[in-house]
Amino acid sequence: AQSVTQPDIHITVSEGASLELRCNYSYGATPYLFWYVQSPGQGLQLLLKYFSGDTLVQGIKGFEAEFKRSQSSFNLRKPSVHWSDAAEYFCAVGASNAGNNRKLIWGLGTSLAVNP
Amino acid sequence: DGGITQSPKYLFRKEGQNVTLSCEQNLNHDAMYWYRQDPGQGLRLIYYSQIVNDFQKGDIAEGYSVSREKKESFPLTVTSAQKNPTAFYLCASSPTSGLVQFFGPGTRLTVL
Repeated sequence: AQSVTQPDIHITVSEGASLELRCNYSYGATPYLFWYVQSPGQGLQLLLKYFSGDTLVQGIKGFEAEFKRSQSSFNLRKPSVHWSDAAEYFCAVGASNAGNNRKLIWGLGTSLAVNP
Repeated sequence: DGGITQSPKYLFRKEGQNVTLSCEQNLNHDAMYWYRQDPGQGLRLIYYSQIVNDFQKGDIAEGYSVSREKKESFPLTVTSAQKNPTAFYLCASSPTSGLVQFFGPGTRLTVL
């Protein structure tokens, strides 16, 4: 079955500390992978995506993610967290050969709190 | 500015009433989506449309209906058959050849 797992429901880090949010997927086809961020009461904003090529992708707001096919993972990282990074983070996967099936499979999200 | 508009931001209805949530996009995207978001449950797909005059049920379509008469618009009606309609509703769109979804700001529906 196709699925996305975000093992950490909630994470708290101190401002300035490094961050890694985990994402594991189960997907039959070659995956396209996404990380989105959602501030409270807002819509989702795309942080970064992986389609092909370099497995380390850079995104907005200083985030990066690494695709590891052997581990079926696409973990999100940031070297130094800012208080404004407190939000909900969602990992999603879609089919590279989407054709008429352009739905994404979503993880349940990881809530990030940042201590001053 | 291009983007997705959802209105209103907050919506209150009495139990038993149908209510329609608006979603408009000026990105010239073919595909549009409706999601429901509840605490701890992530995003659940209600309906999606990949072209005008066509739409498909998502994972939780019961109690909802949609129409897609124009490329720019994809309204969602929450009917009285939806047992627990209070939630945050998100609309998204994606371009013809892409998977990246762009989201609106959401509508919080409260049924009293």
